[in-house]
Amino acid sequence: KQEVTQIPAALSVPEGENLVLNCSFTDSAIYNLQWFRQDPGKGLTSLLLIQSSQREQTSGRLNASLDKSSGRSTLYIAASQPGDSATYLCAVNSGGYQKVTFGTGTKLQVIP
Amino acid sequence: DGGITQSPKYLFRKEGQNVTLSCEQNLNHDAMYWYRQDPGQGLRLIYYSQIVNDFQKGDIAEGYSVSREKKESFPLTVTSAQKNPTAFYLCASSDRGRGGTDTQYFGPGTRLTVL
Repeated sequence: KQEVTQIPAALSVPEGENLVLNCSFTDSAIYNLQWFRQDPGKGLTSLLLIQSSQREQTSGRLNASLDKSSGRSTLYIAASQPGDSATYLCAVNSGGYQKVTFGTGTKLQVIP
Repeated sequence: DGGITQSPKYLFRKEGQNVTLSCEQNLNHDAMYWYRQDPGQGLRLIYYSQIVNDFQKGDIAEGYSVSREKKESFPLTVTSAQKNPTAFYLCASSDRGRGGTDTQYFGPGTRLTVL
């Protein structure tokens, strides 16, 4: 059974700092991995999707990497802003509609 | 303006009542999903549907029911058999990409509270 872990559960950084969020998974046989952002009381917003054949994806100040062999993905946020404050979740698709496993998220606070 | 809508935003249920949560999408996606989110836990899959008139149980289907009569709509009923229904419910949709699912798009959620 796929297990997805996100450490730390919470992170606080000063504005302008570059930061890395971590996602680890136990079964390397995956189809894709998706990073989401969730604001309090809101739904999830898709940030980046990495297919299993890809090593990284970039969107603006965000860069996500994938290392299947080590069971890890990282989300790099450059020049953090207070508006980046949210919970970031990763979701691993192990193949099939019912095989998407979510991590519990990292709650990020960017301090002005 | 494409997206997923869920209603109501807040819902209160009395003991023994069935309640229905609405989910509508205009993204022309074949697949739709219902997840439950509890504090400190990852999202858990309740039901999913790959296509109209078809749906499958997820990991925690007991006490829930769904229907998929139209491509755009995937309502979730929380029955009185669900013993701990207080949670945040999220609906999602996706295209049928490689591996069975592609990018998932989520609605804004419904917060259900049992009185």
